[in-house]
Amino acid sequence: RKEVEQDPGPFNVPEGATVAFNCTYSNSASQSFFWYRQDCRKEPKLLMSVYSSGNEDGRFTAQLNRASQYISLLIRDSKLSDSATYLCVINTGTASKLTFGTGTRLQVTL
Amino acid sequence: NAGVTQTPKFQVLKTGQSMTLQCAQDMNHEYMSWYRQDPGMGLRLIHYSVGAGITDQGEVPNGYNVSRSTTEDFPLRLLSAAPSQTSVYFCASSYSLREGKFFGPGTRLTVL
Repeated sequence: RKEVEQDPGPFNVPEGATVAFNCTYSNSASQSFFWYRQDCRKEPKLLMSVYSSGNEDGRFTAQLNRASQYISLLIRDSKLSDSATYLCVINTGTASKLTFGTGTRLQVTL
Repeated sequence: NAGVTQTPKFQVLKTGQSMTLQCAQDMNHEYMSWYRQDPGMGLRLIHYSVGAGITDQGEVPNGYNVSRSTTEDFPLRLLSAAPSQTSVYFCASSYSLREGKFFGPGTRLTVL
């Protein structure tokens, strides 16, 4: 089983839609969780950290379910500019190691 | 702040050549890392550093060397380039282990 697994998509949604991505992880000792956004041929950029109690940043909501070992990202009122690949990233706390999922591609259309 | 900078942006090498990818950050971050990104695979850790003078291997270190003589700089050396090292290389830094990382713009390397 991969350490971090994501549905590669693509998710094609109309502008204004709500879309959700899940990411499962295998290491129960994982300590920190993040969602990154990566545009085509660009570097990954931190979108948001994921906290145990869940957290929200504008149209974006992230949640963590430790019992089932997954994190989720919900995007409300999708914009064309949300089109990108969303990377799930896990830190097991060992030195500087982050484990990256392969990403879920989102395409928002008119 | 320039953040994390990388040079060059693009590079073509012949098999067997050596080169150094440069990475610098001006955020006074202790933690710096090098990743490679290949199609269909997540970013993979090559080497990392937890402070000046301290480096360690990541998931895919073979064929690469690093050093960290200052907090700001973390160069990645390819000793003898191979076609399997064709990839996009990202340098990243962070203030602490638990924080997300800032990535540089990447270096696209092709080895012929």
